[in-house]
Formats: sequence, C-alpha cells, structure tokens
Amino acid sequence: KAGVTQTPRYLIKTRGQQVTLSCSPISGHRSVSWYQQTPGQGLQFLFEYFSETQRNKGNFPGRFSGRQFSNSRSEMNVSTLELGDSALYLCASRDREPYEQYFGPGTRLTVT
Amino acid sequence: DQQVKQNSPSLSVQEGRISILNCDYTNSMFDYFLWYKKYPAEGPTFLISISSIKDKNEDGRFTVFLNKSAKHLSLHIVPSQPGDSAVYFCAASGGTSYGKLTFGQGTILTVHP
Repeated sequence: KAGVTQTPRYLIKTRGQQVTLSCSPISGHRSVSWYQQTPGQGLQFLFEYFSETQRNKGNFPGRFSGRQFSNSRSEMNVSTLELGDSALYLCASRDREPYEQYFGPGTRLTVT
Repeated sequence: DQQVKQNSPSLSVQEGRISILNCDYTNSMFDYFLWYKKYPAEGPTFLISISSIKDKNEDGRFTVFLNKSAKHLSLHIVPSQPGDSAVYFCAASGGTSYGKLTFGQGTILTVHP
C-alpha cells in the first residue's frame, strides 16, 4: 500500500495570511491525526478526525482547524498566520486496530 | 505538564553494542506505547509498540519493555548499527482516544562505526 502523502511539502507564507495543508491517508485507514513539530515544543497533537468527525482536539487556538472528507482525505487550515506557526506539520493515519499511527513526510511551513 | 518524558537528550553507542533508550510517563490512563525513529525534516517512522497488558514486545533487533508500576518503558536495540543513528521518540496513547499521541522530547542516538 502507498504511504501517507502530504502536500505541499514546503510552503512560505506571510504573517496574516491563511494556509491549507492536505493529507491523504493510507488506503483503508479512516482515522487521520495532525501534529505540529517545533524546536521548542516538540511534537504536539492538533486534532484527530474519524469518519469525517473531529474526535479529539489539542490545545491550539481556534485559528487551527481541520476537516475530513468522505474518502478519508483530510485538510488542516491555519488562519491569520503568526511567526510562531512556522513548523513542520505532520499528518498520520491509522486503522481501527492496531493502534499504530503511520506518518507522512510532513509540510514545512515558514511564516515571514 | 509533560506527561511523557525522555530524560536523556542524547546517547552515543559503539556499533554492535546495545542501545537502551528510556521513557517515563505520568498519566495512568495511557495504555498503549509506541517508539518512533525520526530524521530531520521527515515524518516519524513507526518502530515498535506495546500494550499495557504485556511487559515485553520484540521485533527483530528491537525490544520494548514496559514496567507499569514504575510508569517506565525502554527500547533496546541489539546489535546497534550506524544506520540506527536518528532521533527516537516514545509516544503514549489511551483513555478516550488512541488517535492522540503524546510524545516525549526525543533522544538523539548516535551509533559509531
């Protein structure tokens, strides 16, 4: 099976803009989770979607949102970008059982 | 409040020897634990996992040990190879959602030829 894919791989945005990142899970996986990795905070959970419903949300402001489509593909959106949003954004998918999450290569977002 | 801790930022090991990476957790709701290997600017690669109903799980050169009473887990790599050099993260999940992984801060493993 093909792995988790994320697009775009690299992105440069200006403060105040918004951005949408895309994730295609492993075929058959219905759960998609998003994470942010920064040097200071490490890997932090953003949210999880399962069957188009958000099941869990991390401690991030409302500027961070996401959605999942009927084919399990997911998007996350960050509005009113801040310099501190510069990070590697990772998407992971899993099947119902087992619980292992498989990660995509990430999207490197730079906010200037 | 760091619920998953990897107290060793780095570990240096000679090729062929054993690498032992450690992880502690505080949340009693965690009942599923995973180890990932990561290179810079790439996504983490799943290595091995363990459920709280077990105390040991093996997969090739990788073995994970879980001590529930001490809230401690460790990853053993035997024998270590230079290609194992990377950042290793432990992660935990459980309670209301297994879709949320809580990660430690990572340990940089360097295996010298």
